[in-house]
Amino acid sequence: AQSVTQPDIHITVSEGASLELRCNYSYGATPYLFWYVQSPGQGLQLLLKYFSGDTLVQGIKGFEAEFKRSQSSFNLRKPSVHWSDAAEYFCAVGAGGNKLVFGAGTILRVKS
Amino acid sequence: EAQVTQNPRYLITVTGKKLTVTCSQNMNHEYMSWYRQDPGLGLRQIYYSMNVEVTDKGDVPEGYKVSRKEKRNFPLILESPSPNQTSLYFCASARLNEKLFFGSGTQLSVL
Repeated sequence: AQSVTQPDIHITVSEGASLELRCNYSYGATPYLFWYVQSPGQGLQLLLKYFSGDTLVQGIKGFEAEFKRSQSSFNLRKPSVHWSDAAEYFCAVGAGGNKLVFGAGTILRVKS
Repeated sequence: EAQVTQNPRYLITVTGKKLTVTCSQNMNHEYMSWYRQDPGLGLRQIYYSMNVEVTDKGDVPEGYKVSRKEKRNFPLILESPSPNQTSLYFCASARLNEKLFFGSGTQLSVL
């Protein structure tokens, strides 16, 4: 069965510092991978997705993610974090059709 | 504006009192789905629908019902809510095999 692990429940970074959020997946075939962000009291917004091709994927708000098949990972990165990036981030894997299996989420705190 | 609309945004109810959370989309999407979000568990799929009159169970369907009588609407029904159904609920829609669009969520508390 498909699964997604986000090892870090909380991460705190200073404003302007770089960010990496970890995501590991379990899936038998070539995965479709996603990162979503949820701001407090808001729905989920798609940051980026990987279907095939270039393993480095660019998304919105300056985020990028790299698909590494050998490590079953799809880590999210941003070179310089802004206070407005404080939110909860979810990694997800496509599980056939439109179904997504989500990780437990990582809460990002940004300190000034 | 293309959107998925859920109502209500917040709901407090008591154990056993039937309730319905509505979901409507204006994008003519075939696929609709309900997820619940709980701390430490992420989002888990409750039910989904591939088209009108076609529904199927997700990973955590117990205690929930859905219906898909019209393409745009996909209500979530709790016939006899219990406290363990206190959660944040999201509706989503999509064209088949394309990306999901999520609603803003419904925070449900069952006392």
